[in-house]
Amino acid sequence: ETGVTQSPTHLIKTRGQQVTLRCSSQSGHNTVSWYQQALGQGPQFIFQYYREEENGRGNFPPRFSGLQFPNYSSELNVNALELDDSALYLCASSLGTVETQYFGPGTRLLVL
Amino acid sequence: DAKTTQPPSMDCAEGRAANLPCNHSTISGNEYVYWYRQIHSQGPQYIIHGLKNNETNEMASLIITEDRKSSTLILPHATLRDTAVYYCIVRVDLGKSTFGDGTTLTVKP
Repeated sequence: ETGVTQSPTHLIKTRGQQVTLRCSSQSGHNTVSWYQQALGQGPQFIFQYYREEENGRGNFPPRFSGLQFPNYSSELNVNALELDDSALYLCASSLGTVETQYFGPGTRLLVL
Repeated sequence: DAKTTQPPSMDCAEGRAANLPCNHSTISGNEYVYWYRQIHSQGPQYIIHGLKNNETNEMASLIITEDRKSSTLILPHATLRDTAVYYCIVRVDLGKSTFGDGTTLTVKP
């Protein structure tokens, strides 16, 4: 157990809808990173939040957005869902931007 | 980022040491080598990391060559529960890393 929790565990949406995924970081961790993992592939970096500010972004379109709250929990929002957005979404927290990351169990999103 | 190369799959007998290689020939002086593993459909689990010295913890040992162009993760006594995908990542800022496809380790009885 890493102390990082994610909700919901599973989610089914239809194309065009919007989704919000949530992550609660490990106690004391001020940095949260989000990853998308398609079936059979390694995790792909979406973006990172450090002390409520975005601190780097991977090659994902603007319809992927995020938020970090004062308690360092975080949300990932995806608008206009596409079939290819079906994946395991992982969040990871760390004490800082260059410290070891600890991952949550993930949210499995299916877009129909 | 330094690119890493790992074999797609490996087998290991239960109770034997599992040695997982990783090549990172373009590594920079300030880049760390990190290892994570992912058991089916779970979040990646941190194993170990190092800069240039060999490292050991309760899970594994990390051997980094003197020129830092490759490393080996050693699980000293593999068990069936060590069956997983193992990722080697080389990066200063791990938070912005993209994992490769890793090595699928299968531990067999």
